[in-house]
Amino acid sequence: DAGVTQSPTHLIKTRGQQVTLRCSPKSGHDTVSWYQQALGQGPQFIFQYYEEEERQRGNFPDRFSGHQFPNYSSELNVNALLLGDSALYLCASSLGPRGSNSPLHFGNGTRLTVT
Amino acid sequence: QKEVEQDPGPLSVPEGAIVSLNCTYSNSAFQYFMWYRQYSRKGPELLMYTYSSGNKEDGRFTAQVDKSSKYISLFIRDSQPSDSATYLCAMEPYGSGNTGKLIFGQGTTLQVKP
Repeated sequence: DAGVTQSPTHLIKTRGQQVTLRCSPKSGHDTVSWYQQALGQGPQFIFQYYEEEERQRGNFPDRFSGHQFPNYSSELNVNALLLGDSALYLCASSLGPRGSNSPLHFGNGTRLTVT
Repeated sequence: QKEVEQDPGPLSVPEGAIVSLNCTYSNSAFQYFMWYRQYSRKGPELLMYTYSSGNKEDGRFTAQVDKSSKYISLFIRDSQPSDSATYLCAMEPYGSGNTGKLIFGQGTTLQVKP
């Protein structure tokens, strides 16, 4: 049973560039959430996708955008990269609405370094 | 003030010790409580998930929730060197719909020495 998979595992970008991170949810899951984890901090919610729509967004600027595909996989795009965007980006999947008591399962993340 | 407070540690204990990890929170709307374990260079791994006050046990792990005090704990019995990791508490408000918006603590780094 495949868990959440993310690609790439590491990425180095220059300020001002754009980046796309990819996520495949755990088998059987249809909902994808993205989190940013700075060094020494807990993950912070970016947004969630369900039924190919953004359902809720955290306190992140519009430079952060996403997409969900019909096969439930998802992409996170970040434009105009800043040094402060350097972090571990985590994808988490779950099944259906949160009220169904479906806890999140995380991938191992993409380590983004902006120079 | 952060919604979820967690002592970052580090916490160092000898093998076999009982470990107590704690989080406090300020938002009374939080109803779902989770503990995740995160090894270095890995994603968080779900350990415990509960939505009610009281205790929940799973092997060497016990999660405790006290909603009246806005306080949650994770106890690890007979700690092992393989338990060395960062432990993250996470919470979600009831009725938030299909959001998946967890609020995490900062994480506590635990080292279990052989």
